[in-house]
Amino acid sequence: GESVGLHLPTLSVQEGDNSIINCAYSNSASDYFIWYKQESGKGPQFIIDIRSNMDKRQGQRVTVLLNKTVKHLSLQIAATQPGDSAVYFCADLRGGTASKLTFGTGTRLQVTL
Amino acid sequence: GAVVSQHPSRVICKSGTSVKIECRSLDFQATTMFWYRQFPKQSLMLMATSNEGSKATYEQGVEKDKFLINHASLTLSTLTVTSAHPEDSSFYICSASPGQGAPETQYFGPGTRLLVL
Repeated sequence: GESVGLHLPTLSVQEGDNSIINCAYSNSASDYFIWYKQESGKGPQFIIDIRSNMDKRQGQRVTVLLNKTVKHLSLQIAATQPGDSAVYFCADLRGGTASKLTFGTGTRLQVTL
Repeated sequence: GAVVSQHPSRVICKSGTSVKIECRSLDFQATTMFWYRQFPKQSLMLMATSNEGSKATYEQGVEKDKFLINHASLTLSTLTVTSAHPEDSSFYICSASPGQGAPETQYFGPGTRLLVL
């Protein structure tokens, strides 16, 4: 069935290094993607989004790359900090208006000192 | 801006009782609110979508008589877990959408931890 999934359940990165979190999606009709950060016991926090007509978008210390050919999405975090430790989810929004979000399985990012 | 609150943040109840969880959009009017459930170390699963003044739309496998949703105003939606059982213990998260922009953004609440004994 249709799904949005992640390759790695846990990623350990040393402070200061760059982090790359990957996500694969299966629905070629997906037109909008979002990355969320969820800290323990809290709700998801919006990080960055990208539309399907783009292949790259940059924010503050974060970059999202979209490869529609292989249905792959990645989140790059530059100069990873301890405060970046959390679970990261990609999500897919279809239809463009008040549509349902489909979340991937999540990747836990552990930042080591 | 775009703050969503939930109350309570944590609740412990006895099996068989009902629990009401509130979701409020504090600084915007939410045309649509969504309710998610998240089990430990798992992803968020959409339970239902509610629009102000109309019946909620439930996802497949979610019992509408067990999870009652009321979206009585543009700033408040409630989820009532009726006759709760231990297997209903979970983290319940709501999100709210102002209904503007394309695509429409969802703002998430902080979640409610439910423990049924």
